[in-house]
Amino acid sequence: EAGVTQSPTHLIKTRGQQATLRCSPISGHTSVYWYQQALGLGLQFLLWYDEGEERNRGNFPPRFSGRQFPNYSSELNVNALELEDSALYLCASGWGQASNQPQHFGDGTRLSIL
Amino acid sequence: SQQGEEDPQALSIQEGENATMNCSYKTSINNLQWYRQNSGRGLVHLILIRSNEREKHSGRLRVTLDTSKKSSSLLITASRAADTASYFCATDGYGNEKLTFGTGTRLTIIP
Repeated sequence: EAGVTQSPTHLIKTRGQQATLRCSPISGHTSVYWYQQALGLGLQFLLWYDEGEERNRGNFPPRFSGRQFPNYSSELNVNALELEDSALYLCASGWGQASNQPQHFGDGTRLSIL
Repeated sequence: SQQGEEDPQALSIQEGENATMNCSYKTSINNLQWYRQNSGRGLVHLILIRSNEREKHSGRLRVTLDTSKKSSSLLITASRAADTASYFCATDGYGNEKLTFGTGTRLTIIP
């Protein structure tokens, strides 16, 4: 069984640019969760998509957005990039609500803002 | 603010010793989960313990939960070099759909 895959592995951008990160969940999973892991800050919840709909959102500005496609893959878009957006962005997949089941993580996209 | 806070922030022990990490949280929970993260990689789920459970085992891992103290501990017995990683607890707030992660304990096993 293929795990959660994320692309690209690394992404280098400059301030003000836009970044698109992609995530393919484990086959059969309908939910995708996005997290930001900045250095020393642990994981911060960004977004939860389930069955194509945004179900929950963390405390991030609107320039962080995303969507989930009919095949349950997802993309995260970050507009007007700022230096503090440099982080490891992790995607996890599962079925529905994250709190009562294990989450399966990809290896992340490391976004560096110059 | 973080719902879960791990303690200690860093821990170094000799191979073969036991490692204990603690997690404290602030609000009532339904479930608490522990994850491991190897350097630069994604997180791997270790154990989920429900609020009505007090202890759970998985191989060399033992997790306890004390809801009266709002705390949990992860014990790794007979540690191995491969256990070197960061360990995170993740909690849900009661009625909350999402998980909130702590900042982790960085465990180093010295061969």
